[in-house]
Amino acid sequence: DGGITQSPKYLFRKEGQNVTLSCEQNLNHDAMYWYRQDPGQGLRLIYYSQIVNDFQKGDIAEGYSVSREKKESFPLTVTSAQKNPTAFYLCASSFGTGKANYGYTFGSGTRLTVV
Amino acid sequence: AQSVTQLGSHVSVSEGALVLLRCNYSSSVPPYLFWYVQYPNQGLQLLLKYTTGATLVKGINGFEAEFKKSETSFHLTKPSAHMSDAAEYFCAVTASASKIIFGSGTRLSIRP
Repeated sequence: DGGITQSPKYLFRKEGQNVTLSCEQNLNHDAMYWYRQDPGQGLRLIYYSQIVNDFQKGDIAEGYSVSREKKESFPLTVTSAQKNPTAFYLCASSFGTGKANYGYTFGSGTRLTVV
Repeated sequence: AQSVTQLGSHVSVSEGALVLLRCNYSSSVPPYLFWYVQYPNQGLQLLLKYTTGATLVKGINGFEAEFKKSETSFHLTKPSAHMSDAAEYFCAVTASASKIIFGSGTRLSIRP
């Protein structure tokens, strides 16, 4: 079955450490997105990519980095510069440019906790 | 600029009662509108969407929503609530050809 796989489901980060969250899709979608979810704040866009080897900052990109070397993969790195990384992270994909009316498909999320 | 406002961060209804979750949007172009549902510690799942055509849209799990352009609303309803409907619900609108903006969410609780 086609879908989006996020791993790991739970992740613990020590102070000053970089961690990478994985997102893989086999839907043949062109566009991929990373959102951060905090209680009562809805979803906030971190980064998005509409095509391989290209990506754009969202509303809260500081302290995060991404890469898009393959169509299927869009990993997110939470760097030590992100001072409050504890949150639920969601990856999504869509058919891409001009196709927002199809909506997004979401992964099951990664819960990151700073210890 | 496009925006979404969900009225009420928490709604509680009795099992068997009507569910009504409110969503108002702002859009400078004809909008595409969505409702998503999220169960605890899971991703979002598409409930229904409005693109063009019929303004009453039926989705999964017995939910439906009506697009009212004059009221800039897209409220979600279900005639009879079930315990399994307890979840968080997000309204969303297209912000561009490739981006969607989400509301802040409404948590639905069901009383036995």
